[in-house]
Amino acid sequence: GESVGLHLPTLSVQEGDNSIINCAYSNSASDYFIWYKQESGKGPQFIIDIRSNMDKRQGQRVTVLLNKTVKHLSLQIAATQPGDSAVYFCAEKFSGNQFYFGTGTSLTVIP
Amino acid sequence: KAGVTQTPRYLIKTRGQQVTLSCSPISGHRSVSWYQQTPGQGLQFLFEYFSETQRNKGNFPGRFSGRQFSNSRSEMNVSTLELGDSALYLCASRAGEGEKLFFGSGTQLSVL
Repeated sequence: GESVGLHLPTLSVQEGDNSIINCAYSNSASDYFIWYKQESGKGPQFIIDIRSNMDKRQGQRVTVLLNKTVKHLSLQIAATQPGDSAVYFCAEKFSGNQFYFGTGTSLTVIP
Repeated sequence: KAGVTQTPRYLIKTRGQQVTLSCSPISGHRSVSWYQQTPGQGLQFLFEYFSETQRNKGNFPGRFSGRQFSNSRSEMNVSTLELGDSALYLCASRAGEGEKLFFGSGTQLSVL
């Protein structure tokens, strides 16, 4: 899966299936995590966030899971649609109140 | 509420020139951060400004500088441009520490 500093370049899923994008973050002291979606020619858009005192958070069609034991973050997208095709980044925040981003996973939805 | 606005959208410069990029944050946001994004790379943090003061700085050479005005608008300057400076420069604002970043659409800089 994606790692802050490494990346899983592409993921292809069939329309209607669920997608899971993974991220291995680097710092056990990170206390806040965000998933962003970036479409071609646009800036990253906020999808969902989670703080380190939680292990799961749900939004509309999206769920973020946090496993602090293994420093792993995942984004689940239910019933993936063509409009979900984009690059997805995870970001972690630790010292200095600064965010660190992974290189991203490119999700392609096959109609 | 208007989002983060970056101008210009595209820029073409030649090596050795300098460039200034502009960012207007979301109304009420006092923190502005700048990131560089290149193909195959993640977002690389340049610097963050809060209330006209640089609060954090990434690992970029001194050719990259910025400033923030009293209305929270920010500018980023790159002097003596190099080919490797070609990138998408993203500005993000947030309401305060510990809050999510909201990004603009970026300025695509091409150095020839």
